[in-house]
Amino acid sequence: QKEVEQNSGPLSVPEGAIASLNCTYSDRGSQSFFWYRQYSGKSPELIMSIYSNGDKEDGRFTAQLNKASQYVSLLIRDSQPSDSATYLCAVYPPGSGNTGKLIFGQGTTLQVKP
Amino acid sequence: EPEVTQTPSHQVTQMGQEVILRCVPISNHLYFYWYRQILGQKVEFLVSFYNNEISEKSEIFDDQFSVERPDGSNFTLKIRSTKLEDSAMYFCASSAQGVVTEAFFGQGTRLTVV
Repeated sequence: QKEVEQNSGPLSVPEGAIASLNCTYSDRGSQSFFWYRQYSGKSPELIMSIYSNGDKEDGRFTAQLNKASQYVSLLIRDSQPSDSATYLCAVYPPGSGNTGKLIFGQGTTLQVKP
Repeated sequence: EPEVTQTPSHQVTQMGQEVILRCVPISNHLYFYWYRQILGQKVEFLVSFYNNEISEKSEIFDDQFSVERPDGSNFTLKIRSTKLEDSAMYFCASSAQGVVTEAFFGQGTRLTVV
């Protein structure tokens, strides 16, 4: 069973702080990794993709991947109230071939308090 | 900026009726997907479609479901005989390639079966 696990939260941080969101996955051979943001009642919006071990930075967002530990994280610097949303971790597991079947975690709800 | 568009945004149907959900993927993308999200639950993969045929389908995607790309731009999901448990948000997504590239989601169709 391919699993992607996230703490459902809520994770509450004050405005301007760093929010740290974590995700673990069960399938060691998993390939591409993605973070999506989902506002209530809306669709997933792609924030970051990461494909190799290490850090990848894009503006206030940094994705971190550690394939040995089967762990991927998202850091949000200088958190803003508009960052309040559910953050979904998504993984292409091995055996996806070229089908592009994403496995999603249940999401972590982030609350940024002014 | 190119985007995936879905219609209708909300569909109410009686149990046992057929529904067709429509999507226009991003124009130069080759891979198309349907996902669904039951309220409060994970985003779940339904089906992927490439080169005018299904690449992969989940166990959810039974004989009541079908997909079609009728005219080179639209991508449709048909549910032949809806059940109460089909009530969910249905998201269409597309990617330029499969596993190695990012999938972009449409705004979703909220299907309510009564």
